[in-house]
Amino acid sequence: DSGVTQTPKHLITATGQRVTLRCSPRSGDLSVYWYQQSLDQGLQFLIQYYNGEERAKGNILERFSAQQFPDLHSELNLSSLELGDSALYFCASSLGLAGDNEQFFGPGTRLTVL
Amino acid sequence: GQQLNQSPQSMFIQEGEDVSMNCTSSSIFNTWLWYKQDPGEGPVLLIALYKAGELTSNGRLTAQFGITRKDSFLNISASIPSDVGIYFCAGSSTSYGKLTFGQGTILTVHP
Repeated sequence: DSGVTQTPKHLITATGQRVTLRCSPRSGDLSVYWYQQSLDQGLQFLIQYYNGEERAKGNILERFSAQQFPDLHSELNLSSLELGDSALYFCASSLGLAGDNEQFFGPGTRLTVL
Repeated sequence: GQQLNQSPQSMFIQEGEDVSMNCTSSSIFNTWLWYKQDPGEGPVLLIALYKAGELTSNGRLTAQFGITRKDSFLNISASIPSDVGIYFCAGSSTSYGKLTFGQGTILTVHP
């Protein structure tokens, strides 16, 4: 158990819908990262938050947004869903901001868009 | 953008054999991490490397951070059936923690 929790474990929805994925980082970690894993693209970095502020963006679509709350949990919002958004979405957390911090991953949310 | 080439893509070995996999990058990384992922689960951190030339062990696992900062390898000695899974290398080269992942190595261990 990494200490990172994600809910829900599975999510099935229809095209055009909006969903929210939730992540709670390990106790004491200030950075939260979101990654998407699909068969064709592998593991791709989406976005990073540190202590409530957005710090880095990767290959995140404009239809996707995230935020980190004062209690440090984070939510990833996916809207106008398309079939191609079906993937595993992982949250990871680390103590600090920089790349020299170990990142620990949650169990993931499997999103299926029908 | 940055790319990590991980090889081999898959390995089929007998229990007790040693395993070696590696990653090469087109650009320099300051941190190399190795993860193992079981089906339907999140990646689990195995080893973290922070200095060029660093050699680090974790039980039967040994990983090295290449001198050029553009490569890393992972060795697993005396493999056992529970070593089965997908192994990923990941690198970070920015002031922020964004990780770039390799494509993964699928390891199958025959008893």
